[in-house]
Amino acid sequence: QVQLVQSGAEVKKPGASVKVSCKASGYTFATYNMHWVRQAPGQGLEWMGKINPSGDGTTYAQRIQGRVSMSRDTSTSTAYMELSSLRLEDTAVYYCARGYNYGHDYWGQGTLVTVSS
Amino acid sequence: QSALTQPPSASGSPGQSVTISCTGTSSDIGGYNYVSWYQQHPGKAPKLMIYEVTKRPSGVPDRFSGSKSGNTASLTVSGLQAEDEADYYCSSYIGSNNWGFGGGTKLTVL
Repeated sequence: QVQLVQSGAEVKKPGASVKVSCKASGYTFATYNMHWVRQAPGQGLEWMGKINPSGDGTTYAQRIQGRVSMSRDTSTSTAYMELSSLRLEDTAVYYCARGYNYGHDYWGQGTLVTVSS
Repeated sequence: QSALTQPPSASGSPGQSVTISCTGTSSDIGGYNYVSWYQQHPGKAPKLMIYEVTKRPSGVPDRFSGSKSGNTASLTVSGLQAEDEADYYCSSYIGSNNWGFGGGTKLTVL
């Protein structure tokens, strides 16, 4: 069965960077886009960007462009999302989600990133 | 600010039907048949309920249906059950390899 397993919770200081991983199993990793979505405490979902199956094409939401980088390692079926110059308002649960027919069919369990001084 | 507009809340009694709207523009919902809907229970990851406006993934009950008219998409939940109480989010492809989400609707089963 398809599974996306994300790395554990992180606590970072403002200005630092965080890198979240998402290990996929149960399907051909190099066939699907991987999206990243975040959710601030008590708030809605925010699309952050996506990386294409081969890993050589990315699209980032304009709001965080310049601070976010997405990558993937097909040898380990793992996707990564790195967010730099962290701000207090970046505190959120970060999800990876597999792209499927312009939707997102499988989601990771979420990774809580807390930014605190 | 969300790209798509949803009502913050909706409610219905068990067995009734409820419809949640998601309003966008001709550049997103109105321009593509790529609307999806997600159900999220507290503390859980979102679950895909509808994709491409009307299609249900395997395992999603047929009580859930989607539609679109112009720049507004809708999710209808028929025969409401207690376990349908959750937050619901719409999403749409908005062009240029970008996606947007609605602000979410909290569905309460009375």
